[in-house]
Amino acid sequence: DVKVTQSSRYLVKRTGEKVFLECVQDMDHENMFWYRQDPGLGLRLIYFSYDVKMKEKGDIPEGYSVSREKKERFSLILESASTNQTSMYLCASSLVSGNTEAFFGQGTRLTVV
Amino acid sequence: DAKTTQPPSMDCAEGRAANLPCNHSTISGNEYVYWYRQIHSQGPQYIIHGLKNNETNEMASLIITEDRKSSTLILPHATLRDTAVYYCIVRGQRSFQKLVFGTGTRLLVSP
Repeated sequence: DVKVTQSSRYLVKRTGEKVFLECVQDMDHENMFWYRQDPGLGLRLIYFSYDVKMKEKGDIPEGYSVSREKKERFSLILESASTNQTSMYLCASSLVSGNTEAFFGQGTRLTVV
Repeated sequence: DAKTTQPPSMDCAEGRAANLPCNHSTISGNEYVYWYRQIHSQGPQYIIHGLKNNETNEMASLIITEDRKSSTLILPHATLRDTAVYYCIVRGQRSFQKLVFGTGTRLLVSP
């Protein structure tokens, strides 16, 4: 069974902390994505990566960075967490071909207090 | 990336067909139409995709108009478990194509 695994389902962090959200996929996919989801705003793309050490900004990259040192792992980093980064974070992966579907993790609900 | 437009919400009676529309008037020739759905508190789940021909699988049917400017996702016999947010997405074939979601249609299936 294909799987995208996010390291935490729920996370509470303090303002100013450095936060790491981890995502691992076991499907040998080239593409990996990080989204955040807020009520009324749908899924918004933060960053994506199409290969190891490669990254591209999505629509809302400010306040975030990413790391892709290995093909199966894509990390989202909040350098200095703020309360407006409280959100549901979703990771996804797909093959590089545009004719294949993406698979999503279950999400990490991050609360910054 | 071609943008998509969907109604914010729709209702459907259990057992009836749910027809969810999507407009993608700026779609280009090599872009696919994808549908995903997201049940509350879960990650989005792939449903179906197509290029220009109508497609059917065990979950749904996808009807794409001849000019490809709009499509309809059909759930032939909606159940309560089909209550979810449905996203219509256009995605190209280029290797580095990002996957962009809109706000989707919230489908409520009622008894």
